[in-house]
Amino acid sequence: QQQVKQSPQSLIVQKGGISIINCAYENTAFDYFPWYQQFPGKGPALLIAIRPDVSEKKEGRFTISFNKSAKQFSLHIMDSQPGDSATYFCAASGGAQKLVFGQGTRLTINP
Amino acid sequence: DTGVSQDPRHKITKRGQNVTFRCDPISEHNRLYWYRQTLGQGPEFLTYFQNEAQLEKSRLLSDRFSAERPKGSFSTLEIQRTEQGDSAMYLCASSLAGANTEAFFGQGTRLTVV
Repeated sequence: QQQVKQSPQSLIVQKGGISIINCAYENTAFDYFPWYQQFPGKGPALLIAIRPDVSEKKEGRFTISFNKSAKQFSLHIMDSQPGDSATYFCAASGGAQKLVFGQGTRLTINP
Repeated sequence: DTGVSQDPRHKITKRGQNVTFRCDPISEHNRLYWYRQTLGQGPEFLTYFQNEAQLEKSRLLSDRFSAERPKGSFSTLEIQRTEQGDSAMYLCASSLAGANTEAFFGQGTRLTVV
């Protein structure tokens, strides 16, 4: 019940395209769903986060879509750029903010 | 720089040796977390502190691991009698207490046990 499942494992998108990464969770006690971006040799950095009382949140080129009934959420990166090439992790937490991470998606944006 | 700071960035040690890592959180943050990340995987929770109290430990934290946060500021994570399976990136994060506050991660300490 603590798992967060993330797909795809890797993704290649052309520059200017839309990158879409999906996550699913089981624990209905989760109430905070952040996305982190990680470059090689660096710690994860928060990109955007959502709470289950809204279905969508947009910050610049990044949008989270949230489906509470399906227990799924996704990250959309619009107008993807080569600098977006990184590993992306979805996560979920409840209460004490202990984060449960997905397995990660290695995103490559081809110029 | 007011971010989360971890030291050292890299550590190579021989199997059986003890190692200690340090984390300095963002100064006003009262929660501090340790995670472990192996290659190609997401970070896994190890333990967390609120101020100086250690409030939760994962089953991943075997008896060879100990974490402290003696004055509610910096934290140390010690691994005794290291094994090759301990090789990983050890990440520290900090946040304010409360619901859904942002956790900021440090750069991590990369441990290699040879």
